[in-house]
Amino acid sequence: AQSVTQLGSHVSVSEGALVLLRCNYSSSVPPYLFWYVQYPNQGLQLLLKYTSAATLVKGINGFEAEFKKSETSFHLTKPSAHMSDAAEYFCAVLSGSARQLTFGSGTQLTVLP
Amino acid sequence: NAGVTQTPKFRILKIGQSMTLQCTQDMNHNYMYWYRQDPGMGLKLIYYSVGAGITDKGEVPNGYNVSRSTTEDFPLRLELAAPSQTSVYFCATGLVTGELFFGEGSRLTVL
Repeated sequence: AQSVTQLGSHVSVSEGALVLLRCNYSSSVPPYLFWYVQYPNQGLQLLLKYTSAATLVKGINGFEAEFKKSETSFHLTKPSAHMSDAAEYFCAVLSGSARQLTFGSGTQLTVLP
Repeated sequence: NAGVTQTPKFRILKIGQSMTLQCTQDMNHNYMYWYRQDPGMGLKLIYYSVGAGITDKGEVPNGYNVSRSTTEDFPLRLELAAPSQTSVYFCATGLVTGELFFGEGSRLTVL
C-alpha cells in the first residue's frame, strides 16, 4: 500500500525565513504526489502535484517541491515565509483504482512576526 | 460555479440519532469521496464513488453508508451516531489525475 509520512506536526518560522515541510513516501511504483493546504475552517486546496514530468514542481503562492527518488522524499519549500502562509499542510499520494488520495497526518505551519 | 457544496456546516447529534450529510457538485466529475478529519490524524477515506450507481468502502467505513443515484449528489448517512463519529467531514470530487476539489466541511459533534 502506498503511504506518506510527514515529519513534524508543528513547524514555526519567522516571517521572511525559509519554509521547509517534510514528506516521505512509500510506494512500490512511481508515485503521484501532492501537497494540499488548509486554511482555518476551510476545505483543502491543491498547492502542487508531482506526476513524473519534472522533479522540481512549482505551485501556487511561491511554494515548490522536489521529488527525490533516492531519498523517497517530496519536501515542500518556500524561500520567504509570509504571515498569510500560516495554515495546515498535507502531503498525499495517489493510490487505488478509484484514484483516491492517501494523506499524511499534516503539518501546522506558524509564521512568527 | 459553486464547486462542491456541503450541508449542514455544523450539527450536534445525540448518541443513537441518525442524520445525512449532503454533498452536491456542479463540476460534472465522476469521482467523489467522503473523508473525515480528526486532529493530528490527517484525512481518512470513508467511502468513494467512481460514478453514478457505484460506491465502495474506504479505510474507515463502519457506521456510515452512502448512495450515488446521480452524478451530482453523494450523501453520507450516519446511522446510530456514536461519540467516535465526532469529526469534521469533507466531501470532494476528483479528476483521474488525482486532483481533488473539496467542500468547506461539515463539523459534527455527537454527545
